[in-house]
Amino acid sequence: GENVEQHPSTLSVQEGDSAVIKCTYSDSASNYFPWYKQELGKRPQLIIDIRSNVGEKKDQRIAVTLNKTAKHFSLHITETQPEDSAVYFCAARKGWGKFQFGAGTQVVVTP
Amino acid sequence: DAGVTQSPTHLIKTRGQHVTLRCSPISGHKSVSWYQQVLGQGPQFIFQYYEKEERGRGNFPDRFSARQFPNYSSELNVNALLLGDSALYLCASSLGPGETQYFGPGTRLLVL
Repeated sequence: GENVEQHPSTLSVQEGDSAVIKCTYSDSASNYFPWYKQELGKRPQLIIDIRSNVGEKKDQRIAVTLNKTAKHFSLHITETQPEDSAVYFCAARKGWGKFQFGAGTQVVVTP
Repeated sequence: DAGVTQSPTHLIKTRGQHVTLRCSPISGHKSVSWYQQVLGQGPQFIFQYYEKEERGRGNFPDRFSARQFPNYSSELNVNALLLGDSALYLCASSLGPGETQYFGPGTRLLVL
């Protein structure tokens, strides 16, 4: 089955700097890769997603890149702000199959 | 704009008891998935239902069961609760099984 590894597990950045989180997946047939942000005690919120026919997608300060050959995808947050502090989860899915989530990255943005 | 709703928000049970968790999907969504999230980990897939039929099952024991109703709401049942079942149980809805999933607020279950 699909296996998703996420790195780093914790990430501390200064406000205004960029943050990058990387995930690798095992099943080359995976074709959908969402990213979720989960603040303490709240539900995971979809922040951006990408499908396998696209290499990069951007939404304001957030971007996701996908390298199908290397089987990894990354979340990029630019100009980080304190409200970006949260746990971020990547996920991968093949076809209509189940989502496999990474273990999460705790991002701390210090003023 | 009604998102995914879940009830109850919190629940305390003792070992051996049974629990039923409920989920109402976003209006128009016909697929519901259930996840277990243990503290410090990512959500683990339990079940997916679409049009009232089970479409997928994760690596969970038979103590876990679920069903989906004609109005697309869903229940997750867990029998013979163990301490290790303590977790946040998340429901996610989507238009269909291959579509983007949106999570509910979760039910936090504590088994003593």
